[in-house]
Amino acid sequence: AQKITQTQPGMFVQEKEAVTLDCTYDTSDQSYGLFWYKQPSSGEMIFLIYQGSYDEQNATEGRYSLNFQKARKSANLVISASQLGDSAMYFCAMISTKIQGAQKLVFGQGTRLTINP
Amino acid sequence: AAGVIQSPRHLIKEKRETATLKCYPIPRHDTVYWYQQGPGQDPQFLISFYEKMQSDKGSIPDRFSAQQFSDYHSELNMSSLELGDSALYFCASSRYGEQYFGPGTRLTVT
Repeated sequence: AQKITQTQPGMFVQEKEAVTLDCTYDTSDQSYGLFWYKQPSSGEMIFLIYQGSYDEQNATEGRYSLNFQKARKSANLVISASQLGDSAMYFCAMISTKIQGAQKLVFGQGTRLTINP
Repeated sequence: AAGVIQSPRHLIKEKRETATLKCYPIPRHDTVYWYQQGPGQDPQFLISFYEKMQSDKGSIPDRFSAQQFSDYHSELNMSSLELGDSALYFCASSRYGEQYFGPGTRLTVT
């Protein structure tokens, strides 16, 4: 079974600082994918970044980067130069990619990030 | 770019009533997923469809059923609603793995 653990229920960061949101995972699959989603107070689930287990480079998307450490089974999200609009709940999730077709996402408990002006 | 469309966005029902939630995936996406997110919880997988066939089933109550139609849209049917069914219901679609979520349907059961 797959499991995602996010140990930071809440984080408070000053605007323009970088922030790291922790995510560790557990799986017996060799082929898997890791995702980060942002959920603002309005409720929608916004895809941020994806890392495949066989990707050698860490994924980056604009101000978002994923610090993937396979041996430690961690996939931390780094947000550079945080903005007030980054305040939201952030979910780490994983998927098995060993089988083609629909594969469900397994989510962590989430981290609520608050950016202070 | 086109996104996943869900309707209705908000729904209020009474206990024991039925509800139907609709999902229109991103064009050319062949896979649809349904998730349920209770208040303060992370999303929980309910059911998925790949090429109009049920692909996987999670913690979906027997009172719920779902299907994917020939145009790839999907409907989640919920009967005998209970107070505990109050939640945000997400539909997500994918083609090559990355799942894109719709805005969700907020169901309130009173």
